[in-house]
Amino acid sequence: NAGVTQTPKFQVLKTGQSMTLQCAQDMNHEYMSWYRQDPGMGLRLIHYSVGAGITDQGEVPNGYNVSRSTTEDFPLRLLSAAPSQTSVYFCASSYSGGRSVAYNSPLHFGNGTRLTVT
Amino acid sequence: QQQVKQSPQSLIVQKGGISIINCAYENTAFDYFPWYQQFPGKGPALLIAIRPDVSEKKEGRFTISFNKSAKQFSLHIMDSQPGDSATYFCAAKSGGSNYKLTFGKGTLLTVNP
Repeated sequence: NAGVTQTPKFQVLKTGQSMTLQCAQDMNHEYMSWYRQDPGMGLRLIHYSVGAGITDQGEVPNGYNVSRSTTEDFPLRLLSAAPSQTSVYFCASSYSGGRSVAYNSPLHFGNGTRLTVT
Repeated sequence: QQQVKQSPQSLIVQKGGISIINCAYENTAFDYFPWYQQFPGKGPALLIAIRPDVSEKKEGRFTISFNKSAKQFSLHIMDSQPGDSATYFCAAKSGGSNYKLTFGKGTLLTVNP
């Protein structure tokens, strides 16, 4: 059972380049999300999805796009990378469905992608 | 607007001591308060969580204390061990938030041997 898998682990981009950060989970979780982690800033929500075909913006969505065509995958796209997007990106998933047990279900995080934009 | 305020930013404790990390929130709609633990190079993982209908929850050496009237909650690590050295995040969620968690900024705990 792999859990949440993120690729690549490390990436260096030049300003203006585009790329996609991959995230896959094998737990059949409906809820998936992307966070960025910056020193002193904690974890900030970028985008999230409550199921295939449904996405919504989080706290810091500018410069990022997402789509959710399958339950398993939730890629994050940087359209034109900027130095301000240098960060560690985490994908997370959890069970959802509106029941109280699902509401309290934990977020399962991947091990992150460290992105540097020069 | 930071909805969950966490302190201290860093904490150094001797082995066997008590580590205490505090969080305060503003949104009275929050009704689920988890703590996550993160080791270097890894993603955060759920450590312990509490609902506001109880004032304390204990799991092994880890205890959450919750003060609903003060809108504060804290993590206590008893008999702290070097293996507890990690970054700790408090978080909060409200029922109408589509499962979104709001995190504090984190506390880097170092337990010296």
